[in-house]
Amino acid sequence: ETGVTQTPRHLVMGMTNKKSLKCEQHLGHNAMYWYKQSAKKPLELMFVYNFKEQTENNSVPSRFSPECPNSSHLFLHLHTLQPEDSALYLCASSQDGSQHTDTQYFGPGTRLTVL
Amino acid sequence: GQNIDQPTEMTATEGAIVQINCTYQTSGFNGLFWYQQHAGEAPTFLSYNVLDGLEEKGRFSSFLSRSKGYSYLLLKELQMKDSASYLCAVRDSNYQLIWGAGTKLIIKP
Repeated sequence: ETGVTQTPRHLVMGMTNKKSLKCEQHLGHNAMYWYKQSAKKPLELMFVYNFKEQTENNSVPSRFSPECPNSSHLFLHLHTLQPEDSALYLCASSQDGSQHTDTQYFGPGTRLTVL
Repeated sequence: GQNIDQPTEMTATEGAIVQINCTYQTSGFNGLFWYQQHAGEAPTFLSYNVLDGLEEKGRFSSFLSRSKGYSYLLLKELQMKDSASYLCAVRDSNYQLIWGAGTKLIIKP
């Protein structure tokens, strides 16, 4: 248990569906991250929030929409996804992202399958 | 471009020692991390190196050579529960983590 929870753990959706992924951290951190993890590929950073402000958006398609209502919660809203978006979506948090020693702690991920 | 290289898969025997290498080419360097990820679970933090040398933490040690752009994770007295993927990540000059694809370690009895 790392102090970062994600729901749902598994999600199957059609290309026309709208769904949301939820992440919650209980570590008192100020930075939160969304990553995409595909088999045998490096983790891909999608979005970063620092003190609730989005600081990174790494050329992610608009069908992925993040929301960070407070420093403990992070959402990823999904709509009109493609089959190639099937992957493990990981949420992470860290103290504030600005120190070289800042360590990220991960949730267990949501396994997403797009049909 | 930025690049992290790790072997895709390694196999070792229970009770033995294994060394997982990581080489990197990044724009700047602000530390190197190792994470362990069991199948279907969250990556968990193992170690952080920012200065050259060896950091020991129980059965696990991590080494860094900044001049060579090289690190390794050394696992001693291997146990079956060490079967997992091991991820290497480097913090670059923009404080972003650049990740390797991970090394899947298989432990055989």
